[in-house]
Amino acid sequence: KQEVTQIPAALSVPEGENLVLNCSFTDSAIYNLQWFRQDPGKGLTSLLLIQSSQREQTSGRLNASLDKSSGRSTLYIAASQPGDSATYLCAVNPRPNDMRFGAGTRLTVKP
Amino acid sequence: DARVTQTPRHKVTEMGQEVTMRCQPILGHNTVFWYRQTMMQGLELLAYFRNRAPLDDSGMPKDRFSAEMPDATLATLKIQPSEPRDSAVYFCASGLAGTDTQYFGPGTRLTVL
Repeated sequence: KQEVTQIPAALSVPEGENLVLNCSFTDSAIYNLQWFRQDPGKGLTSLLLIQSSQREQTSGRLNASLDKSSGRSTLYIAASQPGDSATYLCAVNPRPNDMRFGAGTRLTVKP
Repeated sequence: DARVTQTPRHKVTEMGQEVTMRCQPILGHNTVFWYRQTMMQGLELLAYFRNRAPLDDSGMPKDRFSAEMPDATLATLKIQPSEPRDSAVYFCASGLAGTDTQYFGPGTRLTVL
């Protein structure tokens, strides 16, 4: 059974800092991996999607990497801003339409 | 701005009552997903539909939960009878078959007393 773990559970940083969120998964046979953002009381917003054949994806200040062999992905946020404060969820698809989510990292960026 | 809508946003009910949650997927989307989020279990897939047909509902407790799509613009998730352990936020998401992006609704926060 695919298990997804995210470390740390919570992170607080000053504005402007670069930071890395970690995601690990137990079964390397994945279809794709996605990073989501969840704001309090809201649904999830997809940030980046990495197909199993890809190594990384970038969108603005966000960069996500994928190392299937080691079962790891990282989400790098450059020059963090208070508006980045949210919970970030990693989700692994063992197959299409079968997402397994991590518990999330709650990020606080202090002005 | 196309969005997934869910009603109600909040529901408080007593144990044993029937609960119905509704979802309107984005127009044109043909896959619909139901998820449940709790502090203990995180986000779990309950069921998903393609072209209104259930493809996978293995994550759903069959004895009390049921999911349907009466038409392409409405998905429902029913709990009968509800129990306190069903308290959670229930999310609906929609997407297009053949793509991997899901668009999430704002969720229904259910509290069963």
